[in-house]
Amino acid sequence: DAKTTQPNSMESNEEEPVHLPCNHSTISGTDYIHWYRQLPSQGPEYVIHGLTSNVNNRMASLAIAEDRKSSTLILHRATLRDAAVYYCILRDSGGGADGLTFGKGTHLIIQP
Amino acid sequence: EAQVTQNPRYLITVTGKKLTVTCSQNMNHEYMSWYRQDPGLGLRQIYYSMNVEVTDKGDVPEGYKVSRKEKRNFPLILESPSPNQTSLYFCASSLLGLAATYEQYFGPGTRLTVT
Repeated sequence: DAKTTQPNSMESNEEEPVHLPCNHSTISGTDYIHWYRQLPSQGPEYVIHGLTSNVNNRMASLAIAEDRKSSTLILHRATLRDAAVYYCILRDSGGGADGLTFGKGTHLIIQP
Repeated sequence: EAQVTQNPRYLITVTGKKLTVTCSQNMNHEYMSWYRQDPGLGLRQIYYSMNVEVTDKGDVPEGYKVSRKEKRNFPLILESPSPNQTSLYFCASSLLGLAATYEQYFGPGTRLTVT
């Protein structure tokens, strides 16, 4: 899978929007952009994924740059429960049963 | 409730004593996988299974065995555990393994300590 780059940590205040960036300059045309998060002492949890268009679900929004070399996960109104490590992962739709490749992710800190 | 369950959640054992960590999913998923998570190394895939009786090695399979006799269960077996297998283990499942559009569901984790 192509490589992604994320900031090590970010801090935000409760009830404010959070924008988590991810760079993936070597993304291929068949790569989907997935986001997972891992809350303290829990297993990773799927958040959202997309290919080219922006995506919304009940948890978050995913904004994908026009050239697809970067994307941003948007939490519209952060709560203390959103404090977690967020991982941006590329998945090749061309196949492969490989596991998800988790990098270091972004440690999101939410201040009350 | 759709979920992946693992047992036990915590295990302390001694070198060489065979152990099994169970994993079960109730979503009729075809694909199941085991990962280990170590500080500074992220999650690494140990073994995966595309369907019943179909298993294959991931990135770090040495010292582990798996079996997939039923669709819902995917146990991880350590025949002779060693201290370097001390880690946090996660089981995951997905509707289909080859499709990049399907998310993986993870269990709560099993923290294993081998002394």
